[in-house]
Amino acid sequence: GQNIDQPTEMTATEGAIVQINCTYQTSGFNGLFWYQQHAGEAPTFLSYNVLDGLEEKGRFSSFLSRSKGYSYLLLKELQMKDSASYLCAVRDQGGKLIFGQGTELSVKP
Amino acid sequence: EPEVTQTPSHQVTQMGQEVILRCVPISNHLYFYWYRQILGQKVEFLVSFYNNEISEKSEIFDDQFSVERPDGSNFTLKIRSTKLEDSAMYFCASSEASGVNTEAFFGQGTRLTVV
Repeated sequence: GQNIDQPTEMTATEGAIVQINCTYQTSGFNGLFWYQQHAGEAPTFLSYNVLDGLEEKGRFSSFLSRSKGYSYLLLKELQMKDSASYLCAVRDQGGKLIFGQGTELSVKP
Repeated sequence: EPEVTQTPSHQVTQMGQEVILRCVPISNHLYFYWYRQILGQKVEFLVSFYNNEISEKSEIFDDQFSVERPDGSNFTLKIRSTKLEDSAMYFCASSEASGVNTEAFFGQGTRLTVV
């Protein structure tokens, strides 16, 4: 079966660092993607990992361990505008994305 | 910057009516997808389309659903006889390829409300 788990919600303070975890069990794997989604809007691409290790992209970094079926998204220097839902998604062999439930992040002043 | 565009942004329809949701994928992309997101729930895959045919579809994509690429630019999702439970945001996405190192770009979505 396909299962992607991430926390439902998290709260963090402006300027801080937050780590959003994602674990997955899927029948195929062709990369792990992180998307940001503001309420009522489309998911926007943040990062992806295909190989194990850390990928850094400005204030956002994403880590992958394929053997553990685990990834995290790290957001540094949090800003109020980072309040959104963060979606973990696995791309399978056929190319489709399988999404987790999303983590609702609230950034407080 | 190239983007996926969807029309309309919001559609209200009566139960039992047919709706067509339209998408213009990014021009050099070859793989096209429809996803939906019921309010408060996760994004779910509906169907993928490549080389003018469906390459994969989910259990949600039953006989009431169909997709078409009527010309070189549009990609449509038709729901033949809408049900209340079809109310959701429908997202179109496209990608250059289906494998690694290729991200899917999402359109802004069509909010479908069935009354």
